[in-house]
Amino acid sequence: ILNVEQSPQSLHVQEGDSTNFTCSFPSSNFYALHWYRWETAKSPEALFVMTLNGDEKKKGRISATLNTKEGYSYLYIKGSQPEDSATYLCAYNTGGFKTIFGAGTRLFVKA
Amino acid sequence: DTAVSQTPKYLVTQMGNDKSIKCEQNLGHDTMYWYKQDSKKFLKIMFSYNNKELIINETVPNRFSPKSPDKAHLNLHINSLELGDSAVYFCASSQDRGDFPYEQYFGPGTRLTVT
Repeated sequence: ILNVEQSPQSLHVQEGDSTNFTCSFPSSNFYALHWYRWETAKSPEALFVMTLNGDEKKKGRISATLNTKEGYSYLYIKGSQPEDSATYLCAYNTGGFKTIFGAGTRLFVKA
Repeated sequence: DTAVSQTPKYLVTQMGNDKSIKCEQNLGHDTMYWYKQDSKKFLKIMFSYNNKELIINETVPNRFSPKSPDKAHLNLHINSLELGDSAVYFCASSQDRGDFPYEQYFGPGTRLTVT
């Protein structure tokens, strides 16, 4: 059974705060790690896909790192804004087309 | 233009009925998926088709049957609906690059309520 765990489950920050959350996944048979952003009443949208140990990706104020040997990825948001409020999902892929999603970290950014 | 569309957006029906949810993508992707968002908000894979061929079939009751008439469409038929089938169902697609998919593009979801 493949488990993807995300922590914390939810996070409340003030506008301007920087924050980060964690995705843990099995380190064996790793192929790809995805991060998605899911706003309420919308569909998940892809942020990053990472495949190599040590990968770092950045999109605006959001960045992510990957450690495949120990099985974790961090997502960082610099200077959080209210529009960053969403659920951030990570998803793990071992090859083939099956992707295992975590339960997500729900971020609330207060103005 | 909507990349991945699903119809209907809401579906309310009685137990025992048969219903279908349609999904279409205009991205030219090779692979399409159906996910069920469970009560704990997890997205659980149900089925995946690659170039109209079934490649993932998770432990789903055989009352659920996917049908892919072409690469751009993946429909979900559900027979003899049960209360436990109530959930939000998401369709997604991705481009096949090598032997694993890149990012998935999700539809808006269909909220199914069985009464």
